[in-house]
Amino acid sequence: AQRVTQPEKLLSVFKGAPVELKCNYSYSGSPELFWYVQYSRQRLQLLLRHISRESIKGFTADLNKGETSFHLKKPFAQEEDSAMYYCALPILDTGRRALTFGSGTRLQVQP
Amino acid sequence: DGGITQSPKYLFRKEGQNVTLSCEQNLNHDAMYWYRQDPGQGLRLIYYSQIVNDFQKGDIAEGYSVSREKKESFPLTVTSAQKNPTAFYLCASSFRVKDEQFFGPGTRLTVL
Repeated sequence: AQRVTQPEKLLSVFKGAPVELKCNYSYSGSPELFWYVQYSRQRLQLLLRHISRESIKGFTADLNKGETSFHLKKPFAQEEDSAMYYCALPILDTGRRALTFGSGTRLQVQP
Repeated sequence: DGGITQSPKYLFRKEGQNVTLSCEQNLNHDAMYWYRQDPGQGLRLIYYSQIVNDFQKGDIAEGYSVSREKKESFPLTVTSAQKNPTAFYLCASSFRVKDEQFFGPGTRLTVL
């Protein structure tokens, strides 16, 4: 069963527009969610994690347990934000103790 | 860009051959992972290891095998039983499962 859902494969916005990359999860435990980013020709890297409640490169993400969501937001998109974004959730149940990644959303910020 | 390395960067294999992808880390991490990245499918977990001499199957382990004889190394063998091996393979490591994962640069495998 899919544990992390990113419903949009591609999100295209203009520079300066707000961005919201959606992530929904299904997990009965207490989730600790991550957002990873992969810029062109670079390694996949951690962008932020909900437990630290920090803002990285202007991005924030709030865990909403009621809606089981962890959407990534930025008020004003920049061209350098164009990348592939993955939401991830550690699954720590019987038989599995690893991160599960969503299918990813490609963000295109147009000039 | 040190920390976790993968080799080779590109690998070509004939059908029916086994091939081993290397993954090494000097971050003193206990946990290591192998993912497969296909367009439109994101990252899918192949195998993971929480500690030396132990590893577990992920979501798509069929046709793959791993070993974890040393803390620093977690090689992945793509066997001839893997029906669609052409893909981009990523290795990662972390202190524990809940911690940030650090990724290698990846190996692109093409089966001819």
